[in-house]
Amino acid sequence: QLQLQEPGPGLVKPSETLSLTCTFSGGSIASTTSYWAWIRQPPGKGLEWIGSIYYSGSTYYNPSLKSRVTISVDTSKNQFSLKLSSVTAADTAVFYCTRQASWNSLPGVVNIWGQGTMVTVSS
Amino acid sequence: DIVMTQSPDSLAVSLGERATINCKSSHSVSSSSNNNNFLGWYQQKPGQPPRLLIYWASTRESGVPDRFSGSGSGTDFTLTISSLQAEDVAVYYCHQYYSLPHTFGQGTKLEIK
Repeated sequence: QLQLQEPGPGLVKPSETLSLTCTFSGGSIASTTSYWAWIRQPPGKGLEWIGSIYYSGSTYYNPSLKSRVTISVDTSKNQFSLKLSSVTAADTAVFYCTRQASWNSLPGVVNIWGQGTMVTVSS
Repeated sequence: DIVMTQSPDSLAVSLGERATINCKSSHSVSSSSNNNNFLGWYQQKPGQPPRLLIYWASTRESGVPDRFSGSGSGTDFTLTISSLQAEDVAVYYCHQYYSLPHTFGQGTKLEIK
């Protein structure tokens, strides 16, 4: 069964760096037909795509967050990670790790979602 | 960025009746080279992650009941639930993957009347 697992809920202080790692099970993260992405959802609000990474390491980021975001992949551990720096209360959200289908070497539809992890930014 | 606007924001439909949710994009999300529409629909139940229902605007994901269907092209798309079941109560989102950054509609909350 294909599954993405994020860590448990977390608390991050303002101005610090949020770090999350997602583990893919049931298959290989080094797939030519997939991108690996982070999507977030503030409480009671809609979905925001943060960015995607291919197993080779090539990345695409949302320009609205690009200056603060780094997504990386570790194929030996079947994991990918998110770092979001200089966080504020506006970054409080459920963070989902996801798999996107690859289409013409670009990320496409999201076909697997992790359960999500709530990250609260507060002192 | 392509802005995705869903209507209505909320919808109440009787069991067994048809539910229709619309999604409009600020720019065409259709490819002129192959006529693909880069549009997906997701269902999110309370406390759960979203679930993919439809991709390429009209292709049902494996395991999705056939009462769910998608249609449309260019900038106007529709998700239809032909006969509403109690388990369909959820928030529904459209998603364009035509261009980066990917963007989602604001969501439509579907309830039972």
